[in-house]
This record gives sequence, structure tokens and C-alpha cells, in this order.
Amino acid sequence: SQKIEQNSEALNIQEGKTATLTCNYTNYSPAYLQWYRQDPGRGPVFLLLIRENEKEKRKERLKVTFDTTLKQSLFHITASQPADSATYLCALEGAGSYQLTFGKGTKLSVIP
Amino acid sequence: DTAVSQTPKYLVTQMGNDKSIKCEQNLGHDTMYWYKQDSKKFLKIMFSYNNKELIINETVPNRFSPKSPDKAHLNLHINSLELGDSAVYFCASSQDPGGQETQYFGPGTRLLVL
Repeated sequence: SQKIEQNSEALNIQEGKTATLTCNYTNYSPAYLQWYRQDPGRGPVFLLLIRENEKEKRKERLKVTFDTTLKQSLFHITASQPADSATYLCALEGAGSYQLTFGKGTKLSVIP
Repeated sequence: DTAVSQTPKYLVTQMGNDKSIKCEQNLGHDTMYWYKQDSKKFLKIMFSYNNKELIINETVPNRFSPKSPDKAHLNLHINSLELGDSAVYFCASSQDPGGQETQYFGPGTRLLVL
């Protein structure tokens, strides 16, 4: 069966360090993978999209990698700040479907 | 200007009641979605409409009925509410369907069934 796994439910990191979140998937062959941020009491907000033929994508302090051989995406936040504390969701499209399927998310806490 | 809006924000109701949640987007998108986020924060697709036509209809009790009067609106009607329906319901929109499209989410409707 298809599965999306995000490495841990919660990740604590010291301010200024690089946070690395993992998204692994099985029985998918996604052409695209997306990352969203969700703050408590709010809807998810789009951060980055990466295509299967792209190895890496950057946006300011954010970097996403996509390894279709390992079936894994890594999401990095460099120089993390307390304001980066949120839940981060990866999402990808199931084969032959038009829908995004979301992982359960990783709750990141950046400690001052 | 709010891109995707939902009403109401909070909904507390008794088991067995019927309720509706409304969603509107002003982004000019053709595709709209309903998601359910349960207490474990798992976000799951329920329905999707593209140009007012239903394109995704996940395994959801038929007590849930979506309706899209036009491309900018997608409503969700729930009959005979049950305790297990308590969750946060998110509406979202994208220009087109598919994994290459960014989805824009509303603020959510927190439904509590007593």
C-alpha cells in the first residue's frame, strides 16, 4: 500500500542550527513533491515544490532535496529561528490521481 | 483580502443534527477541495471539484455531501452528525488539479459534535 512517512512527530533544535526533516514514501512515483507549513489553529501554507528531475530547490533559508531512487525528500531550514517553530508537512501526488496526499507532519520546535 | 475563506470558524452541535460549512475563494482558481484533519493532525482529502464537477470523492460516509454552486464556492453539508465527525475541516483551492499545483488553504472550521 502507499505510504508517506515523516521521520518523527517532533523535532527540537537549538536556534541557529540547521533543522533537517525527512519525508519517505513507498509505492508512489511522484512527479512532484511539495512542502507546507502549518501553524497551530491555521491552515497549511505552501513553501516549496520540487520536480522529480530536480535534485534540489532553494528559497531563502529553506532547501529541499528529492531523491527518487531513495524515495526520499529532505527539508532543511538553515540558521533556524524560534519563528520557524511549526508543523511541516510533505505532500505528493498519487499515481493516476489528481490529489495531494499529505504526510502526518513533523512538529519542529526551535529553542532560543 | 482573504484568499480562501470559510464559515463558520467554530461549530458546536449535537449528535444527529445537520450542518453546513461554506467556502469561498477569490483567487480565480478552477479547483477546490475539502480536507479533514483529525485529532492526530492527519490531513486527509475528502472531495475535490474542478470547474464545478466532482473529480475526487474519497471513501467518506454519504452523510457528507459537497456542493459547488460556482467555481468560487464549495460547500459541505453533513447530515446526522456523529461524535467521530469532530475534527477541523479545511477548504483549499488551486488553479488546476494535480500535484504540480500549489494549494491555498482556508483557516479551517473547527467542528465539535457533542
